[in-house]
Amino acid sequence: DVVLTQTPPTLSATIGQSVSISCRSSQSLLHSNGNTYLNWLLQRPGQPPQLLIYLVSRLESGVPNRFSGSGSGTDFTLKISGVEAEDLGVYYCVQSTHAPYTFGAGTKLELK
Amino acid sequence: EVQLQESGPGLVKPSQSLSLTCSVTGYSITSNYWGWIRKFPGNKMEWMGYISYSGSTSYNPSLKSRISITRDTSKNQFFLQLNSVTTEDTATYYCARGGRYYYDGTYYSPFAYWGQGTLVTVSS
Repeated sequence: DVVLTQTPPTLSATIGQSVSISCRSSQSLLHSNGNTYLNWLLQRPGQPPQLLIYLVSRLESGVPNRFSGSGSGTDFTLKISGVEAEDLGVYYCVQSTHAPYTFGAGTKLELK
Repeated sequence: EVQLQESGPGLVKPSQSLSLTCSVTGYSITSNYWGWIRKFPGNKMEWMGYISYSGSTSYNPSLKSRISITRDTSKNQFFLQLNSVTTEDTATYYCARGGRYYYDGTYYSPFAYWGQGTLVTVSS
């Protein structure tokens, strides 16, 4: 199975600060069809996960553009440009290139 | 508006079967992929499997022969059955749109829609 390693496990930020989360894969997530199926989810306390980004960098409908994704191959990054209070929770990268789909261990974003 | 809702027992005894239902409104399950994902105590998430628009299935090999995902298209529901459960199957179970799907030139990502989740505890 593909192993996704997320860092850091915990992130403390002030409102307005920009932060980044790294997701590294044990193998390339480039599919033979040329797409890279790397997604980012946010799970707020008491809520189900919410899709933020798919195909590495495409913003899901309704997601604020302070969220952005980048990367290729095995290295990916989620950036939040100006953290807001509603962004607190656990962030997951999840790959859907290779079966079985696999998740990173999560990064908890807290207020400093 | 697309909505998913899980239902089923919150307590299951070891060695018995866990059975959950996901009721979908606002979207036909004869389109796209529909799956089950669970979150263990702590943050670990596991993709369990999905059923496709045609009824074909794909499962996580870690669940071996214990898992079955089926559907009732007349009720727009799909189901999870997990056999021979142990305490390690205690988790919050989510149903979600579950696989890569292309239709008419448009890509539909998995994980765009989720149920609220249901906690299933395995205990005697």
